[in-house]
Amino acid sequence: DAKTTQPPSMDCAEGRAANLPCNHSTISGNEYVYWYRQIHSQGPQYIIHGLKNNETNEMASLIITEDRKSSTLILPHATLRDTAVYYCIVRVAMWDMRFGAGTRLTVKP
Amino acid sequence: GAGVSQSPSNKVTEKGKDVELRCDPISGHTALYWYRQSLGQGLEFLIYFQGNSAPDKSGLPSDRFSAERTGGSVSTLTIQRTQQEDSAVYLCASSLRDRSYGYTFGSGTRLTVV
Repeated sequence: DAKTTQPPSMDCAEGRAANLPCNHSTISGNEYVYWYRQIHSQGPQYIIHGLKNNETNEMASLIITEDRKSSTLILPHATLRDTAVYYCIVRVAMWDMRFGAGTRLTVKP
Repeated sequence: GAGVSQSPSNKVTEKGKDVELRCDPISGHTALYWYRQSLGQGLEFLIYFQGNSAPDKSGLPSDRFSAERTGGSVSTLTIQRTQQEDSAVYLCASSLRDRSYGYTFGSGTRLTVV
């Protein structure tokens, strides 16, 4: 199984970009990188996913290194509502989305 | 509906009672998943349904836990003879078959066993 490593916590100033790193050095060639976040007392929310190329949507950008051993989720203009636990996941099987401890992002005014 | 619907949102039950938790996935989503999340912990995979295939039950913690999915849509997670360690938030998610898509989660059922 490809495992991920994330810092346990990060702070970010409101209005600034939040850059959340993730290491997945054992990722296989056909495994996608997914990002979810979980705001307190809610179910996880899908943010973005990618395979090789960088991706961008209305919520965030995903930068994947060329060797695919790490990635960075970028929230371009963090708001207080972005305070949440962010999970980086490599999908190891069609059914199995293994959630680790994630990074607790705190956006401060 | 527009999202994954779970009911009840909160359930308090006495130790030893049986409980049923319901999940109504997004229409057209063939895959359905159950997870649970204990206080302050990460998500623990429980069971996975995909279309008409036999479900993968490898994450169920004991034989007190069972789940059904009727007609490829609504799913029910049943916990028999509940114990205090069953207290957690039970989350349901659904997705399209293609694993390149992400899951959509419901808001969960908070189960408290007293």
